[in-house]
Amino acid sequence: AQSVTQLGSHVSVSEGALVLLRCNYSSSVPPYLFWYVQYPNQGLQLLLKYTSAATLVKGINGFEAEFKKSETSFHLTKPSAHMSDAAEYFCAVSGFQKLVFGTGTRLLVSP
Amino acid sequence: GAGVSQSPRYKVTKRGQDVALRCDPISGHVSLYWYRQALGQGPEFLTYFNYEAQQDKSGLPNDRFSAERPEGSISTLTIQRTEQRDSAMYRCASSPISQNSGRPGPYNEQFFGPGTRLTVL
Repeated sequence: AQSVTQLGSHVSVSEGALVLLRCNYSSSVPPYLFWYVQYPNQGLQLLLKYTSAATLVKGINGFEAEFKKSETSFHLTKPSAHMSDAAEYFCAVSGFQKLVFGTGTRLLVSP
Repeated sequence: GAGVSQSPRYKVTKRGQDVALRCDPISGHVSLYWYRQALGQGPEFLTYFNYEAQQDKSGLPNDRFSAERPEGSISTLTIQRTEQRDSAMYRCASSPISQNSGRPGPYNEQFFGPGTRLTVL
């Protein structure tokens, strides 16, 4: 069985501050891990994915995530938040082609 | 190019009616997935196809839900005798073959459509 846990349903940061969104996974097989972003009234868009090639993964819009097997974590970070980063972020794990999503973290960015 | 499209975008129906939700994947994508997303939750897997073959339907809640993809392209998710608890956003996604393996795989990006918002009164 596979699952992901996202700690914090809401995260608030100031513009220019570090963004850290947490994701821990559980998987019985080597996991493939994804971060998706959902803007209001839009579909989900892939930010980045881990497929075992490199533990530090860089994605779009300045986001990156580090796979840590010992901690079963795949946290998402961005050095400096933009107002446009305000959205809902979903971590997901895949081992058998289907995605298992976490419950999501809403990122709020204040000026 | 065109992304994944879904129709209708919004569907309001009365309890007990049947509904059919359509998904048109990105051209050439061999895998197609259906998810359901309740308000404030992440998408929940329903079923998926590789080409026209339904590979996994373990996420379908009960036998009122069915899906088909007869020609390996467009897919229809059908809900019979709808109930209020079926109200949700229904999302479709598609993914291509892996360039490395030449097969579908769990590491391929899934491209999501805008979803169909279903409301059952």
